[in-house]
Amino acid sequence: GAVVSQHPSRVICKSGTSVKIECRSLDFQATTMFWYRQFPKQSLMLMATSNEGSKATYEQGVEKDKFLINHASLTLSTLTVTSAHPEDSSFYICSARAGGLPDTQYFGPGTRLTVL
Amino acid sequence: AQSVTQLGSHVSVSEGALVLLRCNYSSSVPPYLFWYVQYPNQGLQLLLKYTTGATLVKGINGFEAEFKKSETSFHLTKPSAHMSDAAEYFCAVSGYGNYGQNFVFGPGTRLSVLP
Repeated sequence: GAVVSQHPSRVICKSGTSVKIECRSLDFQATTMFWYRQFPKQSLMLMATSNEGSKATYEQGVEKDKFLINHASLTLSTLTVTSAHPEDSSFYICSARAGGLPDTQYFGPGTRLTVL
Repeated sequence: AQSVTQLGSHVSVSEGALVLLRCNYSSSVPPYLFWYVQYPNQGLQLLLKYTTGATLVKGINGFEAEFKKSETSFHLTKPSAHMSDAAEYFCAVSGYGNYGQNFVFGPGTRLSVLP
């Protein structure tokens, strides 16, 4: 089956630093990738939709200058949390869509970000 | 627009008892429906999905769900709970043609299995 990886799985950083999270589709090409955020004991909330070769589309309330998304190739999207603060600590999950239908979307294992 | 509600943020059952996790959705397009399970500090694992066709879908680990259009429901069941079923369960809806074709997740239900 289709596999999506995320790196790193965990990251701890100091307040004010930037952190980059990678999302890769390992055995398929993904023209569209999605980034979700999950706070403890809460559901996943879509942050942005990333399309290869074009600018990401951010959901309302998500700061695009703080959460930089780059979808440079058909197998890689990156999320950079700039000038991270403790309130950015969360579980970030990406997904990648293999085809045109909604059931061809596959989720990564997530990245736990802790900002001290 | 699409939305998902899950009745009961926490459900407790005894080992061996029936598991019933409720999911209701709203969708302006024909829905694709999913159930995912999440163990602590892990990503999502797909349990089962409904796209088209047979309304009773079977998934992994003995789970199944039935799509009832008239009730806009997609409840998840398992005849006999196992201790390893204790986890967080998310119902999600998507649909061909909706904006971004992204998933909309329900708030989740935490399942506890008592010995």
